[in-house]
Amino acid sequence: AQSVTQPDIHITVSEGASLELRCNYSYGATPYLFWYVQSPGQGLQLLLKYFSGDTLVQGIKGFEAEFKRSQSSFNLRKPSVHWSDAAEYFCAVGERGSHGNKLVFGAGTILRVKS
Amino acid sequence: GAVVSQHPSRVICKSGTSVKIECRSLDFQATTMFWYRQFPKKSLMLMATSNEGSKATYEQGVEKDKFLINHASLTLSTLTVTSAHPEDSSFYICSARNLGLAGVSEQFFGPGTRLTVL
Repeated sequence: AQSVTQPDIHITVSEGASLELRCNYSYGATPYLFWYVQSPGQGLQLLLKYFSGDTLVQGIKGFEAEFKRSQSSFNLRKPSVHWSDAAEYFCAVGERGSHGNKLVFGAGTILRVKS
Repeated sequence: GAVVSQHPSRVICKSGTSVKIECRSLDFQATTMFWYRQFPKKSLMLMATSNEGSKATYEQGVEKDKFLINHASLTLSTLTVTSAHPEDSSFYICSARNLGLAGVSEQFFGPGTRLTVL
């Protein structure tokens, strides 16, 4: 069965600094990969997704992620963090056989931004 | 973009009562909707997959008689927590599947419902 690991429970960065959130997955084939952001008490918003093609994926709000098959990773990056980016971020894997329907989520990384 | 709503956003109920949560896709038809449960400071756990016109598929360990799911139309799925107990208190989130390019689907999430059982 597939699984997702987000090694960092909390990350604190200064406003304007760069950000990288780690995500490693376990899956028998190339999965569908997603990053979602959740603000307190809110649902999830899709930041970006990888299905196939270019391994560097651009998303909303200036985020990007790179799929590295050799490392089974899909790390999320942003060159300059804004205070409004403070939230919880979830990496998710979707099964290819089910059109990516069934999602397995990582435990999440809480991002704190200090001014 | 595709919008999914949930109602109510918050509900407080007494132990032993039943609570119904609605999930609606506002601008697209969703043949499949999903119900997740999120514990405090934890990730989302898929509870069940709701298919329009057929019975829901429950994940292992989820009591189907306790969490009743009805997908009555292409834009509405409901989750009813029957005989709720304090341990059912949680954040319930639904999502709806929108078939995108090349048959690959994307899930759009509702804002969630905070259930508190006293």
